[in-house]
Amino acid sequence: QQQVKQSPQSLIVQKGGISIINCAYENTAFDYFPWYQQFPGKGPALLIAIRPDVSEKKEGRFTISFNKSAKQFSLHIMDSQPGDSATYFCAASVGGTSYGKLTFGQGTILTVHP
Amino acid sequence: ETGVTQTPRHLVMGMTNKKSLKCEQHLGHNAMYWYKQSAKKPLELMFVYSLEERVENNSVPSRFSPECPNSSHLFLHLHTLQPEDSALYLCASSLQGAVSGYTFGSGTRLTVV
Repeated sequence: QQQVKQSPQSLIVQKGGISIINCAYENTAFDYFPWYQQFPGKGPALLIAIRPDVSEKKEGRFTISFNKSAKQFSLHIMDSQPGDSATYFCAASVGGTSYGKLTFGQGTILTVHP
Repeated sequence: ETGVTQTPRHLVMGMTNKKSLKCEQHLGHNAMYWYKQSAKKPLELMFVYSLEERVENNSVPSRFSPECPNSSHLFLHLHTLQPEDSALYLCASSLQGAVSGYTFGSGTRLTVV
């Protein structure tokens, strides 16, 4: 029940295209859903996060869509760029704050071809 | 630099060695975490410290021993490890009660031979 399932495992997109990564969860107590971006040799960095009281959050080219009834959320990267090539992790936690146990998805390796 | 510094960046150790990983943050955070990152697996939470007190030990084998002497420093002491313990060990910190998310260090790449 603590799992967060992420798909796809890998994704190849052409420059300018839309990258979409999906996550699903079971624990209805989760109330904080961040996405992290990880470049090789670096730790994950917070990209964008959402709470379940909104259905969408946009920051620049990055948008989180959240479907509470389906217990799913997704990351959309518009106008994908080669510099977006990285591993992306969705995560979820209980408590609505950054403290506590973040449960991570398995990660998606995104490759954006020029 | 993210504000969370981990040393060393790379470590190769034999199964009978004892070594320690170090994590340091000067972000004013009061919660610190150890995560294990293995290939093709989700990040696995190992330990959580809040206000220098261990609040989570996620069924981690005793060959991993954490220490949090103050709110800025976190250690992971290693002894008699197994080859399957080879992974990237990530330290993170956060501010309890805030919604700014974790800040991760760059990790220590550990290889057990």
